[in-house]
Amino acid sequence: GAGVSQSPSNKVTEKGKDVELRCDPISGHTALYWYRQSLGQGLEFLIYFQGNSAPDKSGLPSDRFSAERTGGSVSTLTIQRTQQEDSAVYLCASSLSTGGAVNKLFFGSGTQLSVL
Amino acid sequence: AQKVTQAQTEISVVEKEDVTLDCVYETRDTTYYLFWYKQPPSGELVFLIRRNSFDEQNEISGRYSWNFQKSTSSFNFTITASQVVDSAVYFCALSETLRGGFKTIFGAGTRLFVKA
Repeated sequence: GAGVSQSPSNKVTEKGKDVELRCDPISGHTALYWYRQSLGQGLEFLIYFQGNSAPDKSGLPSDRFSAERTGGSVSTLTIQRTQQEDSAVYLCASSLSTGGAVNKLFFGSGTQLSVL
Repeated sequence: AQKVTQAQTEISVVEKEDVTLDCVYETRDTTYYLFWYKQPPSGELVFLIRRNSFDEQNEISGRYSWNFQKSTSSFNFTITASQVVDSAVYFCALSETLRGGFKTIFGAGTRLFVKA
């Protein structure tokens, strides 16, 4: 498809288990972002990739959270030893941002994570 | 420090009223970009507008208009003659340079209810 694809769309897991969330950005988009949106809340910045590198990891809530991006394309957000407070919608976005200018973000539909 | 403040958590208006959503930002960059996004009840974020820091011209697009004032670090959004379909959460966002790319953060959002 032409848009940002996230999988799974829904994930229910038990407290303490690890989860992997996947984001497939629009082809050619150099910038990739992960945000978290708790119920009725705003978008919390988690991490940003420019190519395969992450210039800013400051938004990751704890060392249980990690993310990687390979081949300048697909990104995976991993949450280890999930806690109930991790329950939220995890949104991925990509853009054609370069050093010269920034364009709008294209968002995926998100992964709804529920930790029981 | 990069920060976006949307002081209005919720606004409720009656159809055909005008409504202004406020956005105040903080940045140390001289080059930055501001955005507005809409998140309807369906959940997927939709881009509305992008402005760069060098362009303070106000913009009008149909019933939507934006007022960018660097002197007050504000980028406010007005909907004229609101309609029920305008009911959504509206997010203001700021992108500033970070190591060859741009980092984008969002305000907490303003939930707009338009009643018939």
